[in-house]
Amino acid sequence: AAGVIQSPRHLIKEKRETATLKCYPIPRHDTVYWYQQGPGQDPQFLISFYEKMQSDKGSIPDRFSAQQFSDYHSELNMSSLELGDSALYFCASSPRQGYEQYFGPGTRLTVT
Amino acid sequence: SQELEQSPQSLIVQEGKNLTINCTSSKTLYGLYWYKQKYGEGLIFLMMLQKGGEEKSHEKITAKLDEKKQQSSLHITASQPSHAGIYLCGADIRDSGYALNFGKGTSLLVTP
Repeated sequence: AAGVIQSPRHLIKEKRETATLKCYPIPRHDTVYWYQQGPGQDPQFLISFYEKMQSDKGSIPDRFSAQQFSDYHSELNMSSLELGDSALYFCASSPRQGYEQYFGPGTRLTVT
Repeated sequence: SQELEQSPQSLIVQEGKNLTINCTSSKTLYGLYWYKQKYGEGLIFLMMLQKGGEEKSHEKITAKLDEKKQQSSLHITASQPSHAGIYLCGADIRDSGYALNFGKGTSLLVTP
């Protein structure tokens, strides 16, 4: 069965640089969630999209933005990177809001 | 999240033994999700519970939802080394739409 695809899997950036993370949800899933998991932490919700519209916002810094495109893939754009942004970033897709959330393998971002 | 308490924090069991992990919410549960995570990897969806008294099984793993107590338990029967990993409960409590709040996780080690 098709799973959530995230790219890149690993990313190394320097402070103040920008990064773009991509997420390709499971086919026919219209809802995407972004989560951040710091070292030894539980995942924290950043932002979600439903039918290509922003649905809810969590603890997403103003330096970050995201969108969902017409093909339902989503991108998380991160600017002015800080050391504290180093984390695993997960995308999860769902067939609709309130249903099962299937997580991708994550993108490991390291900011040096 | 502080709304979700998961216990125990870690567990070491001998292969073949049974074990239980608990997850309690301080807020109304609209859905309770169980995931398994290997260190640094993605979250593997195990099951989702929505209705009080609901019980689901996946191979040797069973989860129940007690709506009155706002609590879920995950029970593993006859544990195997392949069950080792971090078990995370995620709750849909509708404070950020349908996004999940996660517990701190339970680290499970199964010894021969």
